[in-house]
Amino acid sequence: DSGVTQTPKHLITATGQRVTLRCSPRSEDLSVYWYQQSLDQGLQFLIHYYNGEERAKGNILERFSAQQFPDLHSELNLSSLELGDSALYFCASSATGDSPLHFGNGTRLTVT
Amino acid sequence: SQQGEEDPQALSIQEGENATMNCSYKTSINNLQWYRQNSGRGLVHLILIRSNEREKHSGRLRVTLDTSKKSSSLLITASRAADTASYFCATAAREGAQKLVFGQGTRLTINP
Repeated sequence: DSGVTQTPKHLITATGQRVTLRCSPRSEDLSVYWYQQSLDQGLQFLIHYYNGEERAKGNILERFSAQQFPDLHSELNLSSLELGDSALYFCASSATGDSPLHFGNGTRLTVT
Repeated sequence: SQQGEEDPQALSIQEGENATMNCSYKTSINNLQWYRQNSGRGLVHLILIRSNEREKHSGRLRVTLDTSKKSSSLLITASRAADTASYFCATAAREGAQKLVFGQGTRLTINP
């Protein structure tokens, strides 16, 4: 058990809808990362937050947004969903920006 | 584009044999990390090697780093069926160390 909790585990929704994925990092970690994993694109870095502030942005679509709250949990919001957004979405946390990542077990999103 | 690229994409060996996976990257790095992923699960950190290190060991794992060739290798000795998984290298660039970029991974199958 990595100590990182992601909810929900599975999500099935229709195109055009909006969903929110939630992540609770390890209690000692200030950094939260979001990644998208699909068969054709591999593991894509989306965004990194440190203690509530955005620190780095990757290939995150404008339809996607994230935030980290004062209690350090994070949410990833995906809107106007398309079929191609179907993927595994992972959250990971770390103590600093230079230390190993601890991954949650992901949220499997299926857009129909 | 991906910073790290693993080679081979897939590797199948007999139990007890050694498995070697390679990773190449493009820019100067702060550190390079190896992760393991069992099917559909979150990634698990295996080992981190810093840019000023050349070799590191952890149990049956041996990682080398050649910054002049921008490459790393992961050796798993005396493989076991339980080592069957996908293995990813990830790099933290010297500039912008706040994001960890993953390669496409090597799918390792250990045959009993």
